[in-house]
Amino acid sequence: QVQLQESGPGLVKPSETLSLTCAVSDYSVGSGDFWDWIRQPPGKGLEWIGSISHSGTTYYNPSLKSRVTILLDTSKKHFSLNLRSVAAADTALYYCARRHAPGLGDHGYFDYWGQGTLVTVSS
Amino acid sequence: DIQMTQSPSSLSASVGDRVTITCRASQRISNYLNWYQEKPGEAPKLLIYTASSLQSGVPSRFSGSGSGTEFTLTIRSLQPEDFATYYCQQSYNTPLTFGGGTKVEIK
Repeated sequence: QVQLQESGPGLVKPSETLSLTCAVSDYSVGSGDFWDWIRQPPGKGLEWIGSISHSGTTYYNPSLKSRVTILLDTSKKHFSLNLRSVAAADTALYYCARRHAPGLGDHGYFDYWGQGTLVTVSS
Repeated sequence: DIQMTQSPSSLSASVGDRVTITCRASQRISNYLNWYQEKPGEAPKLLIYTASSLQSGVPSRFSGSGSGTEFTLTIRSLQPEDFATYYCQQSYNTPLTFGGGTKVEIK
């Protein structure tokens, strides 16, 4: 059973960088699949932030691309999210998830999710 | 970006009812459509992938259909644990996008 767990500060000041890590257990992040970040502002729907493949190729939402970096650390079994120059609109519940795409190219589905971590942007 | 439109945005139903939720894509997405269930305080849970494949462990009262631009999620006989918010999501291309959600409430 693949497990994912987000960690990072729950409060970030405006204009600073939001940094989160997702630890992956019982699965090697370098052996396959995509590793994604998704967020959900309070009371709103889900927004895809971006992903990184097991080989390190990244895909970002154009709406956030200029501010986002996703990295993969196969030795430490985690991947991370950096979102720069945050504002109040970045306040959200941030999820990490595995996007599984067996025989589907990159047309996968999110089959394992972390529990989510709430990040508030406020001074 | 591919826009995903769900309808209705909310519905009230009783235990035992048959419930159908529709998801429309702004362009053809083949069958690259997934459905998730979200309950308060929990991460979304995958129900259906590639439009009609039931995720392991998901009760068979859930089913999905459709292709191209129109898709449906059906709950054959609503159970108390099914009251939740449901989201569709396209994986045809990036940016991956979700529908706005359908909240299923108790009548």
